[in-house]
Amino acid sequence: DTAVSQTPKYLVTQMGNDKSIKCEQNLGHDTMYWYKQDSKKFLKIMFSYNNKELIINETVPNRFSPKSPDKAHLNLHINSLELGDSAVYFCASSRGQGAGEQYFGPGTRLTVT
Amino acid sequence: AQKITQTQPGMFVQEKEAVTLDCTYDTSDPSYGLFWYKQPSSGEMIFLIYQGSYDQQNATEGRYSLNFQKARKSANLVISASQLGDSAMYFCAMREGEGGGADGLTFGKGTHLIIQP
Repeated sequence: DTAVSQTPKYLVTQMGNDKSIKCEQNLGHDTMYWYKQDSKKFLKIMFSYNNKELIINETVPNRFSPKSPDKAHLNLHINSLELGDSAVYFCASSRGQGAGEQYFGPGTRLTVT
Repeated sequence: AQKITQTQPGMFVQEKEAVTLDCTYDTSDPSYGLFWYKQPSSGEMIFLIYQGSYDQQNATEGRYSLNFQKARKSANLVISASQLGDSAMYFCAMREGEGGGADGLTFGKGTHLIIQP
């Protein structure tokens, strides 16, 4: 009964490769997000998306692109991976109204070698 | 300027004592929300508690309460009767504006809480 799930949990790949991380939520939420947690545990929003708008953090390189096939899924595609992309990536979701508390997936630890 | 400041990188607390984790925030938006999350060593992010900027009363959820002092722009998390399982990273976060949009949260750098037996 996982609310927000991500695959894979671990991803090890070489520089220059292209990879995707998948996210699914079964909470019926309208909005989904991607966050990056760096090696110092700092969490930063990358993207937020609902069926009306995509908000992109301006500091995110355009090698990163979110793709949403439907309301329950928001995948993260990364082109030309770099060493600095190594981090934990969290998907989250929230209702489109109210407090807006976000529920996080388990995270994907990406290691670029 | 940082929007969320957590001044305690680490804390050691004896089991069963109460713990206060500090958080101050900075926003010019009259409408905002404040959140606390727990991240245990297993890595998942667990939502703990929420306080809206217009809420008159401090939020409480079980052993968690939020000491909201709007004029001082502080939103400290209080954990009563701490347990060994409370050992984790704790993050304060803020949403600016009304809820319902696609606004991400801005997080502080976290406080690493260790509960000692």
